[in-house]
Amino acid sequence: EDKVVQSPLSLVVHEGDTVTLNCSYEVTNFRSLLWYKQEKKAPTFLFMLTSSGIEKKSGRLSSILDKKELFSILNITATQTGDSAIYLCAVAMNYGGSQGNLIFGKGTKLSVKP
Amino acid sequence: NAGVTQTPKFQVLKTGQSMTLQCAQDMNHEYMSWYRQDPGMGLRLIHYSVGAGITDQGEVPNGYNVSRSTTEDFPLRLLSAAPSQTSVYFCASSYSHGAKNIQYFGAGTRLSVL
Repeated sequence: EDKVVQSPLSLVVHEGDTVTLNCSYEVTNFRSLLWYKQEKKAPTFLFMLTSSGIEKKSGRLSSILDKKELFSILNITATQTGDSAIYLCAVAMNYGGSQGNLIFGKGTKLSVKP
Repeated sequence: NAGVTQTPKFQVLKTGQSMTLQCAQDMNHEYMSWYRQDPGMGLRLIHYSVGAGITDQGEVPNGYNVSRSTTEDFPLRLLSAAPSQTSVYFCASSYSHGAKNIQYFGAGTRLSVL
């Protein structure tokens, strides 16, 4: 059965801390791994990773994929209260000719205290 | 550019009632999908479509119907609402092929079935 597992499920840190969020997966027909940030409403796209070892960066956020060990990490440095959100990891699969179906993990709820 | 638009934002139904959740996108994406999000469960795929006239079931399709008569629209129908369908529903769209098949989400519909 295809699955995506995120850890930890919740995390409380203080402003300025660095956090690492984990995502492991077991899926058939892997195409890419995506990270989303969800605040009050819709998930918003952060990164898409397709190749091992290539780090994606956007400001204080970075992510890397290990296709051999089947996991990804999302790092957030110098956290701010605005980073408080649920972070979702999803794996996109090639499925029946469609390169779209996503399997999501349950998410990591990050709370950043002032 | 409106992106993915969902209506309504909130809805309360009585058990047994039917309704349609609307989803429209203006990005000319081939792929569209519906997810439901429940506490502690992440997002789960209900139905998806790879183009007009083509739909298929996801992980949790029971109790829901979809159709795709145009590229832009992908409505989700609840035939006979049940309390177990109380959830937040997200519509998403993306290109089906190529490197940039990133799914973009609508703002969601919060549904309560009494």
